[in-house]
Amino acid sequence: SQTIHQWPATLVQPVGSPLSLECTVEGTSNPNLYWYRQAAGRGLQLLFYSVGIGQISSEVPQNLSASRPQDRQFILSSKKLLLSDSGFYLCAWSVQGTYEQYFGPGTRLTVT
Amino acid sequence: GENVEQHPSTLSVQEGDSAVIKCTYSDSASNYFPWYKQELGKRPQLIIDIRSNVGEKKDQRIAVTLNKTAKHFSLHITETQPEDSAVYFCAASKGLRGYSTLTFGKGTMLLVSP
Repeated sequence: SQTIHQWPATLVQPVGSPLSLECTVEGTSNPNLYWYRQAAGRGLQLLFYSVGIGQISSEVPQNLSASRPQDRQFILSSKKLLLSDSGFYLCAWSVQGTYEQYFGPGTRLTVT
Repeated sequence: GENVEQHPSTLSVQEGDSAVIKCTYSDSASNYFPWYKQELGKRPQLIIDIRSNVGEKKDQRIAVTLNKTAKHFSLHITETQPEDSAVYFCAASKGLRGYSTLTFGKGTMLLVSP
């Protein structure tokens, strides 16, 4: 069966520091991958999605970037964090050719 | 782009009652409508979804209805139980070339009292 992992689970970082969040999927090949952010008490906002290695589409312009160096690995990065980057970051995957998305356990990021 | 409105923002019911959550969407090309349940501090979990070629779908105590003409869809939970308490999110998407990008509503906090 398929499993999605995210790490770290929680992170506290100062303003202006860099960020790297990692997501990996097991048990499937060539998945679609997605990064979402959920601010406290709010809905989910799609940040990036990828349909293959090296293919990244951005939904919201901001100081975040994403990369997909391997088929089942998706990384979210920032060179300099802002206070407004705090939130719950969720990675999701779907099978190519299908619409159902399944979420990872998330990373709770607090920027201080 | 797509815009999804969700109502109510909070819903309190007694155990055994029914609960209905409603969503409207703006893009008539949207063709996939999932519902997620998120317990406190946990990941959203897909509980039911519907495609635009179907008007209603049921899975035990939950059902979803879709009105394409009015561009709205609803989640119905019957015989609610305390473990149904959570935040529920609706979403809409245009499935494109083998993937979907979901636009979510702001969520409904459902509280089921014993």
